[in-house]
Amino acid sequence: DQQVKQNSPSLSVQEGRISILNCDYTNSMFDYFLWYKKYPAEGPTFLISISSIKDKNEDGRFTVFLNKSAKHLSLHIVPSQPGDSAVYFCAASAKETSGSRLTFGEGTQLTVNP
Amino acid sequence: GAGVSQTPSNKVTEKGKYVELRCDPISGHTALYWYRQSLGQGPEFLIYFQGTGAADDSGLPNDRFFAVRPEGSVSTLKIQRTERGDSAVYLCASSLRQGAHPYNEQFFGPGTRLTVL
Repeated sequence: DQQVKQNSPSLSVQEGRISILNCDYTNSMFDYFLWYKKYPAEGPTFLISISSIKDKNEDGRFTVFLNKSAKHLSLHIVPSQPGDSAVYFCAASAKETSGSRLTFGEGTQLTVNP
Repeated sequence: GAGVSQTPSNKVTEKGKYVELRCDPISGHTALYWYRQSLGQGPEFLIYFQGTGAADDSGLPNDRFFAVRPEGSVSTLKIQRTERGDSAVYLCASSLRQGAHPYNEQFFGPGTRLTVL
């Protein structure tokens, strides 16, 4: 079963506009959520995270929102830049899980057009 | 200041052959993870090491897959009798230590693209 889902395989936005990437999860044991960014032929790189005790975390142009009751999180990028074009993975971790292994969604390909 | 490195970057093999994939974690990182990413999917957990021991190998798909980390640093993922369905990008990640919160970031290598013909 897919415990972390990203229902949009792709998203295209104009430079300077807001990008909103969405993620849903089913496992209520998840208590930490992360977004990773991946360029072709590179490994995923950490972008931003949020603990389940919070509902918002902001870092520069990136903000992650968590709605625990809906088991939904989103990543907002504003303003979007062409260099943001990449695949974005939502990931989740549970404290009780050995080693805090990550469960990933399928990814969303973001394209920011100049 | 090297990050996580993985060799080879690409591996092409024939069905039924044996392959080894190597991961060099960031120096000092005690936790090491292997993930597998199939086309169009996100990375899927395979195995986690804390030091030399495999603390969680529940993600290994079957007994053809095995991983070692004999000295608590470099790790090798070994696949016996490869099948076409094993074709994927194999990612390695390391972190400073496991499990503690705030979360310890996992740093990923570039992956090894395995193609089984």
